[in-house]
Amino acid sequence: QVQLQESGPGLVKPSETLSLTCTVSDGSVMRANYHWTWIRQSPGKGLEWLGYIDYSGRANYSPSLRSRVIISADTSKRQFFLEVTSVTAADTAVYYCAKTGLGRPEYFEQWGQGTLVAVSS
Amino acid sequence: SYVLTQPPSVSVAPGQTATITCGGPNIGSKAVHWYQQKPGQAPVLVVYDDTERPSGIPERFSGSNSGKMATLTISRVEAGDEADYSCQVWDINSEHRGVFGPGTKVTVL
Repeated sequence: QVQLQESGPGLVKPSETLSLTCTVSDGSVMRANYHWTWIRQSPGKGLEWLGYIDYSGRANYSPSLRSRVIISADTSKRQFFLEVTSVTAADTAVYYCAKTGLGRPEYFEQWGQGTLVAVSS
Repeated sequence: SYVLTQPPSVSVAPGQTATITCGGPNIGSKAVHWYQQKPGQAPVLVVYDDTERPSGIPERFSGSNSGKMATLTISRVEAGDEADYSCQVWDINSEHRGVFGPGTKVTVL
């Protein structure tokens, strides 16, 4: 079973850019028809879908965050990435990367352990 | 935008059945997926496409979806089932995006 691991700074200053990396244990899986997804969870709140990048490099974002989110990938490094620009305290959350079902962006069958990012000066 | 509703909490005695509901407009026409999340852990997919179980998920977890309500049922509840359960759909009405319910805390008495 493929493993996913998030990494990145745990503290970001307001107005700056949040940057996270998700490393996938099996690089060959990244060339298959999965959708590599980012999801976050604010403290004490529900889950929020941020967007995905697929095996062809096509990205799809949450309408509410589209102006501030970029998802990219480097399959040679078995990694995909999240950037959130102009962060505020409202972006403080645990950020998860996830792998969807094969050919199915609609559900998330494998998750990373999550990484907490706090936005504070 | 599409909104899902769930009860905040459900309490159940060990060995009994827990029923968690998920509501939304015309939800019967959508595929509903369910996740279990224990404190400090990542969510785990327990049911997808309304009724399907991923490998390794006990048969005690089952799902249904009809009309205005989807349901996750946990039979013969165990102490280890205590967790938050969130439903999720894929909204294609205007944008293709994932939508999660607010979650239901299941407490095993």
